[in-house]
Amino acid sequence: AQSVTQPDIHITVSEGASLELRCNYSYGATPYLFWYVQSPGQGLQLLLKYFSGDTLVQGIKGFEAEFKRSQSSFNLRKPSVHWSDAAEYFCAVGARGGSQGNLIFGKGTKLSVKP
Amino acid sequence: EAQVTQNPRYLITVTGKKLTVTCSQNMNHEYMSWYRQDPGLGLRQIYYSMNVEVTDKGDVPEGYKVSRKEKRNFPLILESPSPNQTSLYFCASSLRDSPLHFGNGTRLTVT
Repeated sequence: AQSVTQPDIHITVSEGASLELRCNYSYGATPYLFWYVQSPGQGLQLLLKYFSGDTLVQGIKGFEAEFKRSQSSFNLRKPSVHWSDAAEYFCAVGARGGSQGNLIFGKGTKLSVKP
Repeated sequence: EAQVTQNPRYLITVTGKKLTVTCSQNMNHEYMSWYRQDPGLGLRQIYYSMNVEVTDKGDVPEGYKVSRKEKRNFPLILESPSPNQTSLYFCASSLRDSPLHFGNGTRLTVT
């Protein structure tokens, strides 16, 4: 069955420290991969996406993610976290050639940032 | 401005009273979908639509209905709401093979 796992429910990092949020997926074929961010009381905003090509993708707000096919992973990274990065982050996987309306989401990782 | 608009943002209702949450997008997107978000469960898809008059069930369709009579609109209908449908609902739209654009959400409370 298709699934997305975000192993960390809640992570706390100090401002200025590096960040890595983990995402593993189970999918029958090479999927499309996404990271979304949700600030409190807001909808979801796309951070970055992987469709094909270079496995290291750059996104907004200084985030990047690396697709590792052998590990079925798509981890999100940022070299230096800012207090405004505190939010909930969702990894999602979608099918090629069709229904982007059919994304499967992980359960999310809540990021807290210490001053 | 390109956007997905949901209404209302907040809704409190009673068990069994039919309600509709509207969703409209102005980007001419083929795909539209509804998700519910619950603590610890992430986002779960309720229904999605690949074009006008084409809809399909997502992971948690029970108790919900949708329709897609026009490309821009995709209302979510709860014929007889129950307390377990208390949740935060998101509408989203996209082009084929493109990321989802989300609305700002509708927080529904059923008492």
